[in-house]
Amino acid sequence: EDQVTQSPEALRLQEGESSSLNCSYTVSGLRGLFWYRQDPGKGPEFLFTLYSAGEEKEKERLKATLTKKESFLHITAPKPEDSATYLCAVVWETSGSRLTFGEGTQLTVNP
Amino acid sequence: DAGVTQSPTHLIKTRGQQVTLRCSPKSGHDTVSWYQQALGQGPQFIFQYYEEEERQRGNFPDRFSGHQFPNYSSELNVNALLLGDSALYLCASSFGAGGTGELFFGEGSRLTVL
Repeated sequence: EDQVTQSPEALRLQEGESSSLNCSYTVSGLRGLFWYRQDPGKGPEFLFTLYSAGEEKEKERLKATLTKKESFLHITAPKPEDSATYLCAVVWETSGSRLTFGEGTQLTVNP
Repeated sequence: DAGVTQSPTHLIKTRGQQVTLRCSPKSGHDTVSWYQQALGQGPQFIFQYYEEEERQRGNFPDRFSGHQFPNYSSELNVNALLLGDSALYLCASSFGAGGTGELFFGEGSRLTVL
C-alpha cells in the first residue's frame, strides 16, 4: 500500500533556530507532492506543490525540496507564528486526484 | 472572493443518529472532495464529487454518502453514527477532477458522537 511518513512527529525550536521536516513516500509513481500548514481547529492551508525530483519552492522562511524518495521542508530562522502542524500529502499516478496525507509534524517555535 | 465554506462548524450527535454536513466550494471551482481527520492524525480521503457524480471513493463504508448540486455545493451524509465517527470533516475544492492542482480546504465541521 502506498504510504506517506512524516518525521519527526513533533519538533520544538527556539526562535531563529533553523531545522528541517521530512516526508518520505513509497516509490510507486508520484504525480505530485503537497505541503500544507494547519493551525489548531482550522483546515489545512496550501503551501507548495512539487512535481519532480530536484524541484524546489520557496515562500518566506520556508523552502520545500523533492528527491525520488522524500521531501524536506526547511524552515530558516523560524518565528513563533510559524508554530503549526505541517502536513505532507501525495497524489499517486494510480489514485486519480486523491491526496494521501502523512500524520503531520507539530512544530512549536518558542520566543 | 469567498473561500470554501462549511456548515455547521460544530455539532454533537448520539450513536445511531444521522448527520448532514454542507460545503460550498471556492468561486470558480467545480470539484469537491471530503476528508475525515481524527484528532492527531492526517486527513483521510472519503470521496470526490465532480459533475454531480461520485468520481472516487476512499476506504469508507456505505454509511458515508454524498451529493453534489448543480451549483457545485456538496453534502456529506453519515448514517448510523458510531463513536469512531467523531472527527473533523474537511471539504476541499478544486477545478477539474483528476488533476494535481491545489486543493483549497474549508475550516471543517467538528463532529462529536456521544
